[in-house]
Amino acid sequence: EDKVVQSPLSLVVHEGDTVTLNCSYEVTNFRSLLWYKQEKKAPTFLFMLTSSGIEKKSGRLSSILDKKELSSILNITATQTGDSAIYLCAVEAYSGGGADGLTFGKGTHLIIQP
Amino acid sequence: GAVVSQHPSRVICKSGTSVKIECRSLDFQATTMFWYRQFPKQSLMLMATSNEGSKATYEQGVEKDKFLINHASLTLSTLTVTSAHPEDSSFYICSARELGMGGGYTFGSGTRLTVV
Repeated sequence: EDKVVQSPLSLVVHEGDTVTLNCSYEVTNFRSLLWYKQEKKAPTFLFMLTSSGIEKKSGRLSSILDKKELSSILNITATQTGDSAIYLCAVEAYSGGGADGLTFGKGTHLIIQP
Repeated sequence: GAVVSQHPSRVICKSGTSVKIECRSLDFQATTMFWYRQFPKQSLMLMATSNEGSKATYEQGVEKDKFLINHASLTLSTLTVTSAHPEDSSFYICSARELGMGGGYTFGSGTRLTVV
């Protein structure tokens, strides 16, 4: 059974701090790892990682995958109150038929205090 | 970018009735759509994979007869919660992936179902 574990489960920091969120996985036939930000409703896509060691960046957010360690980190620098959300990590596996759905971690609930 | 429209966003129904949730891919075709369920303070759990023109594939522990999925066209999948009970109250989200775009899955905005 595929498994995704995120840590920490919750994190409270002050505005301006840098945070690192962790995601580890056990999956058969790994295809990709995805990060999402979930505020009130549906998750919004942040990053999709398939290759080890290549950092993806979007503004103050960046993420990298380590296939050897079966893990990924999501960094947020100079945090703002608008970054407060649940950050979800998910993995996608190959199946014979193509798209296979996602297995999600429980998420990290990030709270940025002014 | 790809957009997935989910309707309704919120529904309250009586125990024993059925509720239909629609998920539409706008501006792209989705041969496969996914249905997830999210309990409070828990992660999204994949319920089933909806395949256009064929039967859905359900995850272990999900009752097929209770959660009916129909994927009649390349842009529409529906989830019907039959004979709803209060324990079916949850947040249901669909998603689809636009193949070849290199991006992740696109999610609908979700449906908050409350069974009273």
